Amino acid sequence: DAKTTQPNSMESNEEEPVHLPCNHSTISGTDYIHWYRQLPSQGPEYVIHGLTSNVNNRMASLAIAEDRKSSTLILHRATLRDAAVYYCILRDYQNSGGSNYKLTFGKGTLLTVNP
Amino acid sequence: GAVVSQHPSWVICKSGTSVKIECRSLDFQATTMFWYRQFPKQSLMLMATSNEGSKATYEQGVEKDKFLINHASLTLSTLTVTSAHPEDSSFYICSASGPGVLGGYTFGSGTRLTVV
Repeated sequence: DAKTTQPNSMESNEEEPVHLPCNHSTISGTDYIHWYRQLPSQGPEYVIHGLTSNVNNRMASLAIAEDRKSSTLILHRATLRDAAVYYCILRDYQNSGGSNYKLTFGKGTLLTVNP
Repeated sequence: GAVVSQHPSWVICKSGTSVKIECRSLDFQATTMFWYRQFPKQSLMLMATSNEGSKATYEQGVEKDKFLINHASLTLSTLTVTSAHPEDSSFYICSASGPGVLGGYTFGSGTRLTVV
């Protein structure tokens, strides 16, 4: 599986934008980029995913580099409730064996939001 | 939509006893369920993958006789930790995938197991 590299931790101030980077230099053409986050003492929750084009939803935006070797999760206005570990994960939908595909979690980025 | 309910949220048990954790998909059919374990300050480690009506596939190093997984229906999977010991104390998380699940996977809220 293609691997991702994320900073161990980042810090932000409340109501400011946050850019969480992810490097995936060995990404294949059929890998989708997924982001999940895990709040303290909870299971992970889906944030966003994309393939080539930038994506927006109510939680965040995903900016994907033109060569797809990196991506950035953007939280437009961080709140205290956004403090969590953010995981960037690649999933090959085409060759993944359907719903049996195992999501492999790296260490993620611990985001701290200061009031 | 695509909600997974996991129970209990926490449990304390005595060493040598067994504990069952349930994972239910409330509004979709979970064709595949996954069980993870997470130790403090660490990432999620996949323990096993299960498909409805089939035997679970365990990751290397996970004892299948100790961590019994049952996936008898498309909405329910259970993990039973048998003869629990203090080193089994951990945060256990289930995940489910199925048609219509945004992003492909949804996760339970986790179960904090403490073995004393």
